[in-house]
Amino acid sequence: TQLLEQSPQFLSIQEGENLTVYCNSSSVFSSLQWYRQEPGEGPVLLVTVVTGGEVKKLKRLTFQFGDARKDSSLHITAAQPGDTGLYLCAPSRQGAQKLVFGQGTRLTINP
Amino acid sequence: GAVVSQHPSWVICKSGTSVKIECRSLDFQATTMFWYRQFPKQSLMLMATSNEGSKATYEQGVEKDKFLINHASLTLSTLTVTSAHPEDSSFYICSARDRLAGHYEQYFGPGTRLTVT
Repeated sequence: TQLLEQSPQFLSIQEGENLTVYCNSSSVFSSLQWYRQEPGEGPVLLVTVVTGGEVKKLKRLTFQFGDARKDSSLHITAAQPGDTGLYLCAPSRQGAQKLVFGQGTRLTINP
Repeated sequence: GAVVSQHPSWVICKSGTSVKIECRSLDFQATTMFWYRQFPKQSLMLMATSNEGSKATYEQGVEKDKFLINHASLTLSTLTVTSAHPEDSSFYICSARDRLAGHYEQYFGPGTRLTVT
């Protein structure tokens, strides 16, 4: 069973601050997805990273896949209250149907 | 694109009754759909993987006779909670994989909140 760890589990910061959340594992993955879930709704796919070292940007969100494809990070610049939610990483292995979700980072941005 | 719907969005039922939840991929074909359960303040817990035209694969600890899954078409999977009890109350979420997509991305439905009284 692969060990997948997201950190921090909880983060509460003020609007305008920057933050980084992490997704770490001891296993190598073929790709990794980041999702955001708001209360009472289903997760929404933010990005998929595939290549080791890959960096993708989505407005104020920057996603990076580790060189060895074992870890990933999500950096948010100038956080806004609308960024509040549960951020989930979900790596996948070639040939595997299902995704394995981390326990998530619950982010709260205070106005 | 890649929209998944669930119906109903919420349901209240009495203990001992059965409840059916539908999951539909609206603008793509999904050979594989997944059913998750989520408790308050927790992450998603995979219950089962549903492949079109075949039996579902259940995760360890999930009772297949209690949580019946049917995936009769490329756009529809159903989850039936049989003989529901209060401990089955939860947020149930489905997801679907686009069979033409390359990297195992899943698109999630909005969830169904089940309350068993």
